Amino acid sequence: GAVVSQHPSRVICKSGTSVKIECRSLDFQATTMFWYRQFPKQSLMLMATSNEGSKATYEQGVEKDKFLINHASLTLSTLTVTSAHPEDSSFYICSARGPVLAISETQYFGPGTRLLVL
Amino acid sequence: AQKVTQAQTEISVVEKEDVTLDCVYETRDTTYYLFWYKQPPSGELVFLIRRNSFDEQNEISGRYSWNFQKSTSSFNFTITASQVVDSAVYFCALSEAWGNNRLAFGKGNQVVVIP
Repeated sequence: GAVVSQHPSRVICKSGTSVKIECRSLDFQATTMFWYRQFPKQSLMLMATSNEGSKATYEQGVEKDKFLINHASLTLSTLTVTSAHPEDSSFYICSARGPVLAISETQYFGPGTRLLVL
Repeated sequence: AQKVTQAQTEISVVEKEDVTLDCVYETRDTTYYLFWYKQPPSGELVFLIRRNSFDEQNEISGRYSWNFQKSTSSFNFTITASQVVDSAVYFCALSEAWGNNRLAFGKGNQVVVIP
């Protein structure tokens, strides 16, 4: 149980285009989802927290107009990188936390999306 | 503010040796959760264990064991008889018990198991 999927797993795009990444909780309802960014050989950096049906809360220094997050349902959150630039190239990972007590304190992570902006 | 320190960046061991990963944390909360995650080369974070602040019992799961000592704010992880498949980055993390349970990650330990 507690499986999270991400799509796509890898994307290459041209500078200036927008890229959408989907994060789905497959076997549980995720009241809260998180988006992280990870640079090579570094730890995970929390970008934003999204609760279903409300606006995402962004971490300091993360541009909300650049990284649009939509948590439209209890099983799906999307991250859109708008007008992507080479410096946005990174590994993006989502995680989900469920409402059920047994799993609500634990974040389960998706497999990540490698974004390369040319 | 919550902080997690994993001092050892890269650790190399020969297969079948034991390896211990240190994790020291800081928090003002009296109730919190501690985690260990494994990140193999594929990139996906695999959940290994969660421990709440009121449960100081050590835990063993197969070749993995964890030592939680609240007095020293440490939550160390030991891999016994390491195998090549254990090669990965291991992250220790701390979350608040209330609200959104945001995770504070350590910098990770890169474990390389040499056959």
